Amino acid sequence: QVQLQQWGAGLLKPSETLSLTCAVHGGSFSAYYWSWIRQPPGKGLEWIGEINHRGSTNYNPSLKSRVTMSIDTSKNQFSLKLSSVIAADTAVYYCARGQGLSSWLDNWGQGTLVTVSS
Amino acid sequence: SSELTQDPAVSVALGQTVRITCQGDSLRDYYGSWYQQKPGQAPVLVIYGKNNRPSGIPDRFSGSSSGNTASLTITGAQAEDEADYYCSSRDSSGNHLVFGGGTKLTVL
Repeated sequence: QVQLQQWGAGLLKPSETLSLTCAVHGGSFSAYYWSWIRQPPGKGLEWIGEINHRGSTNYNPSLKSRVTMSIDTSKNQFSLKLSSVIAADTAVYYCARGQGLSSWLDNWGQGTLVTVSS
Repeated sequence: SSELTQDPAVSVALGQTVRITCQGDSLRDYYGSWYQQKPGQAPVLVIYGKNNRPSGIPDRFSGSSSGNTASLTITGAQAEDEADYYCSSRDSSGNHLVFGGGTKLTVL
């Protein structure tokens, strides 16, 4: 059974960089795309981007200028950095495993609430 | 187009059938996936591909697709099905994943 465990700082000041990491336990790491998704309080889901085991990335165009994803295949971990955060970046951030042509997300992390406040 | 459109809210009587829809141009090229999210919890995949259910998802959940519309049907809705439901798919470029705005399902 695949489990995704994520962690990172939960409170940031404006202009700081958000940093989250997701560890994948169980299953193959190389056969999938690994995504980050966020959900502002009381709002819907927003896809941030994805990375595969080769380090190939796709980012949401609305966040592309501030997003960097990386992967460490030796540790079965992938990471998200979002620079220059503002209050509107306050959200629960999820990592997830994606597969298939339509990229369904079949395993999700527990979520991390990141609050941006001065 | 990179947008998927869902009705914000739908209600269903206990034990009845409800269909939740998702519209978008990219659904002509890609299947929609469906997620159930209950308050305070991470989303859970309930339907993917043409009409596939992950292990553990009850068979009262089914999916279908026609033209630019993907649908999630719950046949015999239960109280525990009350939740937010999101569709997702690749966008028309294939390079990005997009989510619908979500549908809040109330079971009466």
